[in-house]
Amino acid sequence: GAVVSQHPSRVICKSGTSVKIECRSLDFQATTMFWYRQFPKKSLMLMATSNEGSKATYEQGVEKDKFLINHASLTLSTLTVTSAHPEDSSFYICSASVSSGLTDTQYFGPGTRLTVL
Amino acid sequence: AQSVTQLDSQVPVFEEAPVELRCNYSSSVSVYLFWYVQYPNQGLQLLLKYLSGSTLVKGINGFEAEFNKSQTSFHLRKPSVHISDTAEYFCAVSDRGHNFNKFYFGSGTKLNVKP
Repeated sequence: GAVVSQHPSRVICKSGTSVKIECRSLDFQATTMFWYRQFPKKSLMLMATSNEGSKATYEQGVEKDKFLINHASLTLSTLTVTSAHPEDSSFYICSASVSSGLTDTQYFGPGTRLTVL
Repeated sequence: AQSVTQLDSQVPVFEEAPVELRCNYSSSVSVYLFWYVQYPNQGLQLLLKYLSGSTLVKGINGFEAEFNKSQTSFHLRKPSVHISDTAEYFCAVSDRGHNFNKFYFGSGTKLNVKP
């Protein structure tokens, strides 16, 4: 149980285009989903917290107009990288949160490798 | 904000040898602690977590970790590693306050198990 999928797994796009990444919880409902960015040889950096039916909460330094997050249902959150540039190339990972007693447990998707040419 | 330090970026070890992956965090407040493993081209999988109670936590695949509050550490150990344990391991911390589900990750430790 507690499987999270991401689509696509890899995407290559031209500079200036927009890319949408989907994150789905396959066998559970997640009221909260998170979006991370992972740089090479560095840790995961939390970009935003996404709650179903409300606006996402962005971390300091993350441009909300560039990284659009939509959490339309309890099983789907999307991240759209608008007007992508080469510096946006990275590994994007989502997670879905499930309440488990004292705290939530986060289940992670397999990640999406974005390359902007 | 929390900071999580994994001092070793890479740990080479021979099969069947013991291993310890180190994790230290910065906060003086009460925290929840996690270890995740990431196999190549896969997402992160939860290995174990400390929420409360016994400071020695046992997880999947024979791993265990010990919470040391005075040293703000949560080192991961396995008495005998297998080739299949080769992966990257991430330590994560969250506060016990209202941001309990906001995770801070270390930079990861690549465990390379050699035959």
